[in-house]
Amino acid sequence: KQEVTQIPAALSVPEGENLVLNCSFTDSAIYNLQWFRQDPGKGLTSLLLIQSSQREQTSGRLNASLDKSSGRSTLYIAASQPGDSATYLCAVTGSNYQLIWGAGTKLIIKP
Amino acid sequence: DGGITQSPKYLFRKEGQNVTLSCEQNLNHDAMYWYRQDPGQGLRLIYYSQIVNDFQKGDIAEGYSVSREKKESFPLTVTSAQKNPTAFYLCASSIRDGDHEQFFGPGTRLTVL
Repeated sequence: KQEVTQIPAALSVPEGENLVLNCSFTDSAIYNLQWFRQDPGKGLTSLLLIQSSQREQTSGRLNASLDKSSGRSTLYIAASQPGDSATYLCAVTGSNYQLIWGAGTKLIIKP
Repeated sequence: DGGITQSPKYLFRKEGQNVTLSCEQNLNHDAMYWYRQDPGQGLRLIYYSQIVNDFQKGDIAEGYSVSREKKESFPLTVTSAQKNPTAFYLCASSIRDGDHEQFFGPGTRLTVL
């Protein structure tokens, strides 16, 4: 059974630092992996989607990588800003086309 | 303005009552989904629908019911049989079911009094 883990559960860093969020999954048979952002009490905003055949995707200050063989993905945020504070969720699309979710990493960027 | 709307934003229910959460999309998407989010846990799939007049149970369907009479609408009813309904409920849609990107609504927070 596919399991998705995000460590750490919470992270606090000073403004301006580059940072990496981690996501690991147990079954490499995935169609894609997605990173989402969730602000408190709000819905989810899709940040990046990486197809299983891809190694990385970039959008602005965000870069997501995917290593299927090791069951890992990272979300790299460059030059962090207070507005980046949110919970970041990753999810994989498994063989039954359903999304399996991590519990998220709560990120706080200190001004 | 294309998107997904959910209403109400906050909902309070007395024990023993059924309540219905609304989800509407104008993205012309075939597939729609309902998820439940609890603190410290990943989202869990309640029900999904690949096409009008068709829907399937997700991982935690017990105590919930849905309908899909129109492409744009996928309401979720939380019945009195749901033992612990207090949670944040998220609706999503995608072009088709499969490995396509899902788009999410703003959510409904349900609290049982």
